[in-house]
Amino acid sequence: KAGVTQTPRYLIKTRGQQVTLSCSPISGHRSVSWYQQTPGQGLQFLFEYFSETQRNKGNFPGRFSGRQFSNSRSEMNVSTLELGDSALYLCASSLALASYNEQFFGPGTRLTVL
Amino acid sequence: AQSVTQLDSQVPVFEEAPVELRCNYSSSVSVYLFWYVQYPNQGLQLLLKYLSGSTLVESINGFEAEFNKSQTSFHLRKPSVHISDTAEYFCAVRDTGRRALTFGSGTRLQVQP
Repeated sequence: KAGVTQTPRYLIKTRGQQVTLSCSPISGHRSVSWYQQTPGQGLQFLFEYFSETQRNKGNFPGRFSGRQFSNSRSEMNVSTLELGDSALYLCASSLALASYNEQFFGPGTRLTVL
Repeated sequence: AQSVTQLDSQVPVFEEAPVELRCNYSSSVSVYLFWYVQYPNQGLQLLLKYLSGSTLVESINGFEAEFNKSQTSFHLRKPSVHISDTAEYFCAVRDTGRRALTFGSGTRLQVQP
């Protein structure tokens, strides 16, 4: 069974631009979560989607948004990029919403904002 | 709110020596506990988890962790490390009613020959 895939793996943007990252969960998984990893703040939860609905949201500004499609694939969008948005963005999928379900992480998309 | 503290940012150790990576958490409700490992330029891989039952949990590659409710700890141990264990290790907690994982700041394990 294929793991979680994220595209692209690397991305370079300039301040003010917007970016869209994509995540394909493991086949059969219906929940997708997004995390931001930076050296200064560590790993922080962005949001979670299940059945095309956002179910949980972390403490990030409205510039960060996401969506989930009927095939459970998810995208996250960051508008008006700032230098501080440079990070590794990790996507994780799980079978369902229950808190004991294991989350499987993808390799991440490394975003660099210049 | 819950939080996770990993006091050691780096742990250097010689090959075949034992190691303990410390993790303490705070939460007002029941929690599930996890250890993840991250190798360079890769995502996170689940190493082991505590959901309920036996407080000692083991992974397939020799790591173990013990849940201590009174000390709110979930320390990770391995009796004999290998060069290939060099990686960053993250402790994470999720309360039983929520979905988001709260991560510690990570501990970089550096195994030296």
